Parts: sequence; structure tokens; C-alpha cells
Amino acid sequence: NAGVMQNPRHLVRRRGQEARLRCSPMKGHSHVYWYRQLPEEGLKFMVYLQKENIIDESGMPKERFSAEFPKEGPSILRIQQVVRGDSAAYFCASSPGTNGYTFGSGTRLTVV
Amino acid sequence: GIQVEQSPPDLILQEGANSTLRCNFSDSVNNLQWFHQNPWGQLINLFYIPSGTKQNGRLSATTVATERYSLLYISSSQTTDSGVYFCAAVFSGGYNKLIFGAGTRLAVHP
Repeated sequence: NAGVMQNPRHLVRRRGQEARLRCSPMKGHSHVYWYRQLPEEGLKFMVYLQKENIIDESGMPKERFSAEFPKEGPSILRIQQVVRGDSAAYFCASSPGTNGYTFGSGTRLTVV
Repeated sequence: GIQVEQSPPDLILQEGANSTLRCNFSDSVNNLQWFHQNPWGQLINLFYIPSGTKQNGRLSATTVATERYSLLYISSSQTTDSGVYFCAAVFSGGYNKLIFGAGTRLAVHP
């Protein structure tokens, strides 16, 4: 069981470019969550998805951010027209239900 | 609103010392987990403990759900214990997402 796989581990983008972050959940987990961690801060919930459905996006910024979890393939967090303030660590977690969340190693996004 | 509060925010220990980290949560929970984020940023799941007591080596945790708090005990601390400890909860009432506390930043000196 490979755990929650996130890639890339590090991503550098220039202001105005698009960032695409990928997350493959643990085998058997159908619930995926994305969190953002700004430097020296805790993790903030962004979005909760199940296959092909967004269940809760209450933590997502209203503009430039989107997430999907297609029937086949990994979950994708997309950030369009990145700005310096988007620089952060983005963590993905998966769970079989409400119990036992497992986190990936994160993607560290740097906007230059 | 629903929230998770951790104390102390910062803690400095000499190697070999014991410590207790506290997590208070504002409402009933379906799930409570303790995580360790190491200096390289990796988030390690320590305990899934919505109630009761669990032990894993030098670490143990106790959650008293009726009084809405959880404690993480670290005994005989080592320098490798340094990092940030997060408590996170899934609150009852349909909130199917982990809400994190702000963390306790631990530094263990040799």
C-alpha cells in the first residue's frame, strides 16, 4: 500500500502561470481532501471531494482555484494565474470515511 | 463556531524530559487525530483517538470526549521529537473534514 501520493514534491511557477497539483489517494479510499499550509501556520481546509463530486468547497478561494476528482486518475488541484501569496505547502489527505485520515507528503509551491 | 485550540504554542525541552500537550475542542467529535510535522515538513499520523487512551512507544494519548479535550504525552524526549504537533478533529453534525489546531512547536535540545 503506497499511501497517499502527491506530485510534484516541489513546484516553482512564475506569477501568472498555472499550477497543477496531483494527488492519488490510498487504495480503497474514496474521499479526498486538500489543505493549504502557509509558512509558520497550521493546515487550513480547502475542499473535500468524492469520485466525480465536490462535497464541500467552503475553504476554496472564490477565484483562480479549482479541484476535481475524476472517475479515473488522481485528484487535481488547479491554481490559475498564480500570485506570490499562493506560495505554500499543499497537502492532500484521503480516508475511507470519516475515520483515519492519511496525508501525503505535500507539494511545496513557490511563486516567483 | 467549531474550533480546535492547542497549548502551549511553543515548548522547549532538554533531551530526556517529559511533556504534555493539550488539545481542546469546542463540540462533539467523531474523529480526533494527533500528527507530528517534522522539520522537513512531512506530516506523520501519530494517533487516531476519538476517545480513550492509546500508547505507541514513548508516546501516548488520551481523549476525554465528554470534557472535550485530548492530551498527548511524550516521555524521555529525544531531539528527533522536535517539530510541530497538530491536533485535528472531525466534528459531529455533518462536518466531514478535519479541522486543525494551530499546533505546538516543540524543540528538544541535547
